Amino acid sequence: QVTLKESGPALVKPTQTLTLTCTFSGFSLSTSGMRVSWIRQPPGKALEWLARINRDDDKFYSTSLKTRLTISKDTSKNQVVLTMTNMDSVDTATYYCARIRTTGMDFDYWGQGTLVTVSS
Amino acid sequence: QSALTQPRSVSGSPGQSVTISCTGTSSDVGGYNYVSWYQQHPGKAPKLMIYDVSKRPSGVPDRFSGSKSGNTASLTISGLQAEDEADYYCCSYAGSNWVFGGGTKLTVL
Repeated sequence: QVTLKESGPALVKPTQTLTLTCTFSGFSLSTSGMRVSWIRQPPGKALEWLARINRDDDKFYSTSLKTRLTISKDTSKNQVVLTMTNMDSVDTATYYCARIRTTGMDFDYWGQGTLVTVSS
Repeated sequence: QSALTQPRSVSGSPGQSVTISCTGTSSDVGGYNYVSWYQQHPGKAPKLMIYDVSKRPSGVPDRFSGSKSGNTASLTISGLQAEDEADYYCCSYAGSNWVFGGGTKLTVL
């Protein structure tokens, strides 16, 4: 079955760079049409889409955050990595990775999420 | 890209129907038939309930239905049950990016 799991630091200091890893199983990013995204949710607030990567290494980013985000993949390890630079307290959120349904534009499987707190 | 507009809250009694609206623009909701809806219980990850405006993934009860007219999409839940109480988010593809709604809290009275 399809599973995704996020990992990374629970606490980062302001101005630091955050690196999160999404490790998945049940599918391969080498499959045609396969894509993975990162989405975040500040405590008590709405979901916000961040970035997407596909089999061909095409990368899309949120317009408002694109200068701070980098998404990459390691197909052999079934992992997708997100880095976000210059972290601030407003970036405190639960970060989710999610698979995009192969033939559509929706997120059919989600990880459990990982809470990242930005504080000195 | 601005967030899609959803009512902050809706409520209904068991057995009743409720509809949650999601208003965007011609660049997102109105421009693509790629509206999806997610249910999120407290402390849990979102769950896909509707995709491609009106399609239900396997395992989602047919009490959940979706539609779209112009720049506004809607999620209707009929025969409300206690377990439907959750936050609901709409999402639209917007051409190389995605935009979510602000979320609607559904209370089952």
